Amino acid sequence: EAQVTQNPRYLITVTGKKLTVTCSQNMNHEYMSWYRQDPGLGLRQIYYSMNVEVTDKGDVPEGYKVSRKEKRNFPLILESPSPNQTSLYFCASSLEVQPTYEQYFGPGTRLTVT
Amino acid sequence: KQEVTQIPAALSVPEGENLVLNCSFTDSAIYNLQWFRQDPGKGLTSLLLIQSSQREQTSGRLNASLDKSSGRSTLYIAASQPGDSATYLCAVPSGGSNYKLTFGKGTLLTVNP
Repeated sequence: EAQVTQNPRYLITVTGKKLTVTCSQNMNHEYMSWYRQDPGLGLRQIYYSMNVEVTDKGDVPEGYKVSRKEKRNFPLILESPSPNQTSLYFCASSLEVQPTYEQYFGPGTRLTVT
Repeated sequence: KQEVTQIPAALSVPEGENLVLNCSFTDSAIYNLQWFRQDPGKGLTSLLLIQSSQREQTSGRLNASLDKSSGRSTLYIAASQPGDSATYLCAVPSGGSNYKLTFGKGTLLTVNP
């Protein structure tokens, strides 16, 4: 089944404890991205990747890191999480970075930083 | 900067009613517009992708229209059912590519039995 998977789905952590949220897609998609969703603010892009080893900042990259060493994986790294990073995170992918292709989203990771 | 607005923010209708959700965007130079559905606590499910060269796209009881010149799109849901209850989001690519999607804040639809 074609899908985007994220792990973990739920995570409660403490301020400053490094964490990684994994994202994997099985559709051989070139493009992947991360979004966060907050009440009243909607979905905002954190980082995106156009292909292996090619990443760039979205609208809200501060406090996050990403890497794209393999085509299928695009982990989101929080080196020193803070409470303002408490949010619902989504990973997305599409076949190519062309506007004709639809984007597919993962199920989300709900992160709470205390 | 592209801005996407969805009105109304919430809508409650009785089962069986036909309804229209609205999406407007400020920069009409878009390549496509995508409608998503989000169920509580779950991810986004793509419903329809309508290209800039198209005026309409249909899938089952859903019909999306796009008017680039006026910066508007509508999602028409026919014969609504309780299972249609969800938040509906529209999104457009920003900056002339699919690098980033700019989302509206969504319309929360409740269909009452």
